Amino acid sequence: AQSVTQPDIHITVSEGASLELRCNYSYGATPYLFWYVQSPGQGLQLLLKYFSGDTLVQGIKGFEAEFKRSQSSFNLRKPSVHWSDAAEYFCAVGAVYNKLIFGAGTRLAVHP
Amino acid sequence: DGGITQSPKYLFRKEGQNVTLSCEQNLNHDAMYWYRQDPGQGLRLIYYSQIVNDFQKGDIAEGYSVSREKKESFPLTVTSAQKNPTAFYLCASRRDSGRQETQYFGPGTRLLVL
Repeated sequence: AQSVTQPDIHITVSEGASLELRCNYSYGATPYLFWYVQSPGQGLQLLLKYFSGDTLVQGIKGFEAEFKRSQSSFNLRKPSVHWSDAAEYFCAVGAVYNKLIFGAGTRLAVHP
Repeated sequence: DGGITQSPKYLFRKEGQNVTLSCEQNLNHDAMYWYRQDPGQGLRLIYYSQIVNDFQKGDIAEGYSVSREKKESFPLTVTSAQKNPTAFYLCASRRDSGRQETQYFGPGTRLLVL
């Protein structure tokens, strides 16, 4: 079955610390992978996406993600977190019939 | 300024009432989507439309209906058959039906039951 798992429901980091949000997917064909960010009460904004080629992709706001086929993972990273990064982060895989399958999300809190 | 607009921002539904959520896009996108978001469950697909006058059920279509009479508009009706409608509803669009195409999201409508 096609699915996306984000193992961490909540993560808290200190401002300036590094961040890694985990995402594992289950999909039979070549996965098209996305990370979105959502501020409270708002829509989703695309951070980055992976379709093919270089397995390390750069996104907006200083985020990057690495696709590891052997681990079925697409983890999101940022070397130094800012207070404005506090939000909910969603990993998604593009599936057949043009659907996006989302993980349950990881809520990030940033301590000053 | 191109984008996706959803209205209203907040919507209140009385028992037994049908309500309609608006979604409009001026991006000239072919495909449009409706998702429901509940805390801790991510987003779940309600309906989607790849072209005008055509739409398909998603994973949780029961109690909902849609229409796609114009390319730029994809309204969602929450019917009285939807017994637990309280949620955050997100509309999205994408340029075409390719799997690699990015979906862009509107700001959402929060539906509450009185």
